[in-house]
Amino acid sequence: AQRVTQPEKLLSVFKGAPVELKCNYSYSGSPELFWYVQYSRQRLQLLLRHISRESIKGFTADLNKGETSFHLKKPFAQEEDSAMYYCAPEGNTGNQFYFGTGTSLTVIP
Amino acid sequence: ETGVTQTPRHLVMGMTNKKSLKCEQHLGHNAMYWYKQSAKKPLELMFVYSLEERVENNSVPSRFSPECPNSSHLFLHLHTLQPEDSALYLCASSQEPVATNEKLFFGSGTQLSVL
Repeated sequence: AQRVTQPEKLLSVFKGAPVELKCNYSYSGSPELFWYVQYSRQRLQLLLRHISRESIKGFTADLNKGETSFHLKKPFAQEEDSAMYYCAPEGNTGNQFYFGTGTSLTVIP
Repeated sequence: ETGVTQTPRHLVMGMTNKKSLKCEQHLGHNAMYWYKQSAKKPLELMFVYSLEERVENNSVPSRFSPECPNSSHLFLHLHTLQPEDSALYLCASSQEPVATNEKLFFGSGTQLSVL
């Protein structure tokens, strides 16, 4: 099974502070991983995917095969970053799929 | 593991078959969702049900027909699918469909292959 783990259910940081949301995966091969975000009163939406190696809204995520991690980082948190964040593997591989349980980020003004 | 159970885990069907995907949640939630994840693509929201009423339908072809007989069960009826419909179908639930930082609970998905 493809499993991702988000160890933090809740995370609070002050505005302007760096933020890192952790995601670890536990399967071999070359995973394709995504970060999704759900802002207050909005639907779940894609934030970024590792294969594109892009920065969205100041967030980046690097796949670290040695540590089997895909942590989401932003150097300076903003209040509008407060949301639920989910890490997820690409699921259409025939394996059982496990979405991350989500991390609720609160940015304190 | 999350309280959302999907069956079957794997399904192979021909284009003329009729099959159904089932989702069940034991969390007492009022909203349930169907998502589709195609190969190398992010999730696509298909349907949203709130208190057994469909509140969102994102331009999904009629060969996909959802059913929500009660707040704990959600079905996706499949009929005359196309090979491009092969994907992972994920069910999710939440306490309410739209609320502050509403947490989604996902099932483990049904891997569908259309031949």
